[in-house]
Amino acid sequence: QKEVEQDPGPLSVPEGAIVSLNCTYSNSAFQYFMWYRQYSRKGPELLMYTYSSGNKEDGRFTAQVDKSSKYISLFIRDSQPSDSATYLCAMSPYSSASKIIFGSGTRLSIRP
Amino acid sequence: DTGVSQDPRHKITKRGQNVTFRCDPISEHNRLYWYRQTLGQGPEFLTYFQNEAQLEKSRLLSDRFSAERPKGSFSTLEIQRTEQGDSAMYLCASSFGGQGETQYFGPGTRLLVL
Repeated sequence: QKEVEQDPGPLSVPEGAIVSLNCTYSNSAFQYFMWYRQYSRKGPELLMYTYSSGNKEDGRFTAQVDKSSKYISLFIRDSQPSDSATYLCAMSPYSSASKIIFGSGTRLSIRP
Repeated sequence: DTGVSQDPRHKITKRGQNVTFRCDPISEHNRLYWYRQTLGQGPEFLTYFQNEAQLEKSRLLSDRFSAERPKGSFSTLEIQRTEQGDSAMYLCASSFGGQGETQYFGPGTRLLVL
């Protein structure tokens, strides 16, 4: 069983919809949670990170962490065609000097 | 451009050949990471440097793989006697150590072994 599980999709929604992306994990040592966005043939780009359970908001993006359930989510409001990409959840046991464990990524398509 | 750069961006080679990739991190970053990403998967950690010291290596990094960061700046990843299973995107990331450090990724080198 993988340490981080993520539904690969693809997920297709109309422009303006709210998107919910999710990951589960098994390692309770994970303390640092991230979401990366990866466009086709590009490297991953960090969208958001958080240390603690709860919500963190940045513009149209909200990251949610529930450590008791080992479950993290990324919500995208007012989705735009430019949000079409693969979204990778990622986590680490430390906030510094550590390899990141990635999910397999969810491919998201926003239909105009 | 002050981001992480990688060279070459694409490499096609025949099975059994050696290949070398280069990564130039963001200039003030002291940590450098190599990851490998195959189609439909997330990146998998290969190895990590702090300055010139290689501090961690994944079991994925077989004896055919070697990475160096001789002066604590750029890094090279060499694959000897390439196999078709080595075909993947090789990603480099760098960070500046400290609480809440962010790993910034380069565009990757896409390797195809025929």
